[in-house]
Amino acid sequence: EIVMTQSPATLSVSPGQRATLSCRASQSVSSNLAWYQQKPGQAPRLLIYGASTRATGLPARFSGSGSGTEFTLTISSLRSEDFAFYYCQQYNNWPPKLTFGGGTKVEIK
Amino acid sequence: QVQLQESGPGLVKPSQTLSLTCSVSGGSISSTGYYWSWIRQHPGKGLEWIGYIYYSGSTYYNPSLKSRVTISVDTSKNQLSLKLSSVTAADTAVYYCASCSSGYYFDYWGQGTLVTVSS
Repeated sequence: EIVMTQSPATLSVSPGQRATLSCRASQSVSSNLAWYQQKPGQAPRLLIYGASTRATGLPARFSGSGSGTEFTLTISSLRSEDFAFYYCQQYNNWPPKLTFGGGTKVEIK
Repeated sequence: QVQLQESGPGLVKPSQTLSLTCSVSGGSISSTGYYWSWIRQHPGKGLEWIGYIYYSGSTYYNPSLKSRVTISVDTSKNQLSLKLSSVTAADTAVYYCASCSSGYYFDYWGQGTLVTVSS
């Protein structure tokens, strides 16, 4: 099983500042990585797939990068609606064994 | 815009079978390239993929749950279903259905339904 590790567990950022979230895979997943945002009481929302492709309608302040085992989600200038949990997910196996990271909470500093 | 809605009992007794249904609207469950999925989230925890099904009936399950999980699809009703047998308190979670593009990433999600396992 590919284990996904996200860091930090909690990120405290001021509105307008940049947030950088990390996701590490226990083995290479190529670019087969997605990012999701989840707000309390809501379902996750797809942000990024293919490590760097933004989902339809996603603001350009969100960007994804990386390949292999190291990935980053960057929010260039945090807005109030961006404070949430963020999860990465790999999809490199076949037959599938899709796994998620433990999540990063982005909170207001 | 595809919309998904989970339904089913919110309380299940230990050792019994958890059964949920997901109704899909705004799109066909027979659409090629989409796998129809179940994912769960334990209270205050992260996400766990349970498994998914293609409209043809091909199923893929998380190995850690495979012995207890059955996912099925009813194309005539545009619904998918989840059955999880022999439940324990460890199966208490919010259960989501979601569409999985090409079997890779989850692009549309239901709102989720909390299932509590308790006597």
